[in-house]
Amino acid sequence: GENVEQHPSTLSVQEGDSAVIKCTYSDSASNYFPWYKQELGKGPQLIIDIRSNVGEKKDQRIAVTLNKTAKHFSLHITETQPEDSAVYFCAAEPNDMRFGAGTRLTVKP
Amino acid sequence: EPEVTQTPSHQVTQMGQEVILRCVPISNHLYFYWYRQILGQKVEFLVSFYNNEISEKSEIFDDQFSVERPDGSNFTLKIRSTKLEDSAMYFCASRVRAAVYSEAFFGQGTRLTVV
Repeated sequence: GENVEQHPSTLSVQEGDSAVIKCTYSDSASNYFPWYKQELGKGPQLIIDIRSNVGEKKDQRIAVTLNKTAKHFSLHITETQPEDSAVYFCAAEPNDMRFGAGTRLTVKP
Repeated sequence: EPEVTQTPSHQVTQMGQEVILRCVPISNHLYFYWYRQILGQKVEFLVSFYNNEISEKSEIFDDQFSVERPDGSNFTLKIRSTKLEDSAMYFCASRVRAAVYSEAFFGQGTRLTVV
């Protein structure tokens, strides 16, 4: 099955700075790469996703890049705000979603 | 806005007892999932379910676990004889179709505490 590695496990940034979270995957058949945000006490919620035929996708302050050759993809959050503080999970799918270990992002005001 | 609902929000059970966690997926969704999250750890895939049968299961999903869709709306996870290490948050998710281009919607979770 798919094995997803995620780094870093924790990330602390000042409000307004950028944050980058990286994931690598093992299965070359993976073709869908969602990112989920989990706020305290809630279930994960999709924030952005990318398909394997696209190298980059952007949605306001959030962007995801994909390097299929190297089998890694990254989440970029610009102009971070305190409400971005949460745990972020990447996933890679040929089939069912297997999540990375998660990154706890803290944005300091 | 449609949402996945899970009941109960918190369940406390004695070790060795059976528990059933309930989920109502979004009505037009066809694929259903259970995940587990031990406190402070990653969200772990347990099982996926489609067309009234298990599509895939992880190594965590052993003989103590079972899933069922007893009617047209509920999707349940049963743990036959709970162990202390089953204490975790259990999330149900549903999606319209499997894999590509299909967002999975998660419920708020059931916190299971085994004492």
